[in-house]
Amino acid sequence: QQQVKQSPQSLIVQKGGISIINCAYENTAFDYFPWYQQFPGKGPALLIAIRPDVSEKKEGRFTISFNKSAKQFSLHIMDSQPGDSATYFCAASNSGTYKYIFGTGTRLKVLA
Amino acid sequence: SQTIHQWPATLVQPVGSPLSLECTVEGTSNPNLYWYRQAAGRGLQLLFYSVGIGQISSEVPQNLSASRPQDRQFILSSKKLLLSDSGFYLCAYVDRGSNQPQHFGDGTRLSIL
Repeated sequence: QQQVKQSPQSLIVQKGGISIINCAYENTAFDYFPWYQQFPGKGPALLIAIRPDVSEKKEGRFTISFNKSAKQFSLHIMDSQPGDSATYFCAASNSGTYKYIFGTGTRLKVLA
Repeated sequence: SQTIHQWPATLVQPVGSPLSLECTVEGTSNPNLYWYRQAAGRGLQLLFYSVGIGQISSEVPQNLSASRPQDRQFILSSKKLLLSDSGFYLCAYVDRGSNQPQHFGDGTRLSIL
C-alpha cells in the first residue's frame, strides 16, 4: 500500500512534442504529490507539486493532472526541449509523517 | 534562503574501510532529515530519517548507521564498507514550517574497490 508505480521506465520524444509520465498510488492518506527532475550527477530538484484538492496545476510548460478517484497523477511536459532530457521521479507523502514514497523514475530523452 | 550541503562529492574507498558522509542544512530550524541511496539508473531508497537531534529511524537493515549530533547536521557512517555499499548517496530535508517539499543535496558518489 506504500508503493508508487511509475511508467514508462524510459521515454523518447521529439523536440516540440508532449512528454507524459504517469504514476499511481494506493494509500489514500497521501496528500502531497511532487515531481522531481534529476540530471546526471546531481540531486533531484523539485519541479512541480500538487495537493488532492485540485485536479490540475500548471507551471510554464509543466502540468500535473491529478485524478483522485483513480488514484493516479501524471506529468505533462509541453513543447519538450533537449534540455528537458533528465530522469523524472514522482513521489507521494502525507503531512503527518513527511516521509516520501518515490516512483522508480522515468528517463526522458528529447531528440533535437 | 535555505540550502543543503553534502560532502565529499565523490569518494573511493576500499572494502572494509570506515565511512563518514556529512550533510548540513542552512536557513531552517528543526528540519526533518533524510538519507537516500540511489543505485545506478535506479530509484531512491530511503535509508534513514530523523525528526530531531538524536532521533533516527532506520528503514533498511544494513551495515550503515546515521547520527544527528546537531539540529542541522546529519551523518551517515559505516564501520566496514561492503562492495554493495557503492552508490549515490543523497541527503534531503523538509522544512516542517513549509508546504512539505523535500529538498535534496547534490549527493556523494561512493565507489567501493
